[in-house]
Amino acid sequence: DQQVKQNSPSLSVQEGRISILNCDYTNSMFDYFLWYKKYPAEGPTFLISISSIKDKNEDGRFTVFLNKSAKHLSLHIVPSQPGDSAVYFCAASPLTTDSWGKLQFGAGTQVVVTP
Amino acid sequence: EAQVTQNPRYLITVTGKKLTVTCSQNMNHEYMSWYRQDPGLGLRQIYYSMNVEVTDKGDVPEGYKVSRKEKRNFPLILESPSPNQTSLYFCASSMAGQGNSPLHFGNGTRLTVT
Repeated sequence: DQQVKQNSPSLSVQEGRISILNCDYTNSMFDYFLWYKKYPAEGPTFLISISSIKDKNEDGRFTVFLNKSAKHLSLHIVPSQPGDSAVYFCAASPLTTDSWGKLQFGAGTQVVVTP
Repeated sequence: EAQVTQNPRYLITVTGKKLTVTCSQNMNHEYMSWYRQDPGLGLRQIYYSMNVEVTDKGDVPEGYKVSRKEKRNFPLILESPSPNQTSLYFCASSMAGQGNSPLHFGNGTRLTVT
C-alpha cells in the first residue's frame, strides 16, 4: 500500500507559467519530505526538501509547501522553463528510528513545459 | 567527480540465470540503497544498508540479495531471476539514511528477464 501518492501522472504547462505538483501521504510519522527530478536515461536528482516543522521552503524558482493537517505537500515551479520537463518524484522519510533508511517515493508526475 | 556508478546499464538475461548488478560510490557515504522503478508504482525500495555489514529489507526484497562488505560497494544479486523482475533499477547513497541527507542516484540499470 503506497504511503506517498502523486495522483497526477502528468502535467502540461506553458513556458513562463506556474507548475503545481501535488503529493499526499498517509503516514503521520513522516518528518521530512523531498522532491526529486528525473530526466530520461538518468537517475533522479535531489531538488528541494522540507522538514515537518516548517510549512514552506523556497529555493530559487522552486517552492515546496507542506500542510501537515491535510497530509499534503506541493511543489511550485515559477516560472516554468523547457528544461523543467522531467518526471518529479515526491518522497517522505519517517521519524521513528526503526524506520530510518526507509524512504518512501510516490509514483511520479511527468511535467511537460511547452513553448 | 562525486558519483554513484552502476553496471551494467542494460542487461538481458533468461529466467533462472544468476546475475549481479554492481554499485559503487566514491563519496564515503554510509548509507546505500537499491530501488526498482516500474510504471505507475514509482520507486520502490528493495534493500538498504546503513553501514558496512548492516543490511535491511525494503518494501520489495523478495527474489533479491545484497551484501555490504566494503563501504563503497553495494551489489544487488538476483539468484534466480524471473520475468517479474524486469524493471529499471537504481542504486543510491547518502551520508546517512535520514530524510535530511538527500540521496545521490546512479544512472540506472535496465534489466529484462525473458
